[in-house]
Amino acid sequence: QVTLKESGPGILQPSQTLSLTCTFSGFSLSTYGMGVGWIRQPSGKGLEWLANIWWDDDKYYNPSLKNRLTISKDTSNNQAFLKITNVDTADTATYYCARIERDFDYWGQGVMVTVSS
Amino acid sequence: DIQMTQSPSFLSASVGDRVTINCKASQNINKYLDWYQQKHGEAPKLLIYNTNNLQTGIPSRFSGSGSGTDYTLTISSLQPEDVATYFCLQHSSRPLTFGSGTKLEIK
Repeated sequence: QVTLKESGPGILQPSQTLSLTCTFSGFSLSTYGMGVGWIRQPSGKGLEWLANIWWDDDKYYNPSLKNRLTISKDTSNNQAFLKITNVDTADTATYYCARIERDFDYWGQGVMVTVSS
Repeated sequence: DIQMTQSPSFLSASVGDRVTINCKASQNINKYLDWYQQKHGEAPKLLIYNTNNLQTGIPSRFSGSGSGTDYTLTISSLQPEDVATYFCLQHSSRPLTFGSGTKLEIK
């Protein structure tokens, strides 16, 4: 059974760094062809792809976030991570991680992040 | 970036109706188009991948079609549990981009 669960700080202040963790089970990020992606959704709005990381440590980022993103993984502990530097109120959203075997085929429940002073 | 124009934004239909939702890409995406269903307060769920492939466990009333820049999700007979927002996603080229969503309600 594939499950993913996101965790994060809940609330943080502008200019801080947002650190998110995706803890998963039922698959391994060391398996050929496997990946994990991060997607976010501001309340009441659409979805925005942020980054993907693959079994071979290949990484891809949405250039709209201008080098603020860093994605990484810990294969032995079945975790993936996303950092977003210099956050502002526009980064307030629900953040999802999703497995990529057949596209985004399994998603976590999402974690709400609020950026507020 | 490839822009995905999804229509309609809102759709109200009766149980048993045939429903279609459309996504138009700003350039050819070579059938690299997925459809997702998001029920209120839940994470998105993959329905259709690569234009017309039904994800495991998804009812056969859902189907997808299209090519080039134009793609369609069809629900052949709308059921009450299909109330949700539907999104398309192109994964032909990075950055991956989603449609703006179609909110489907029962009339």
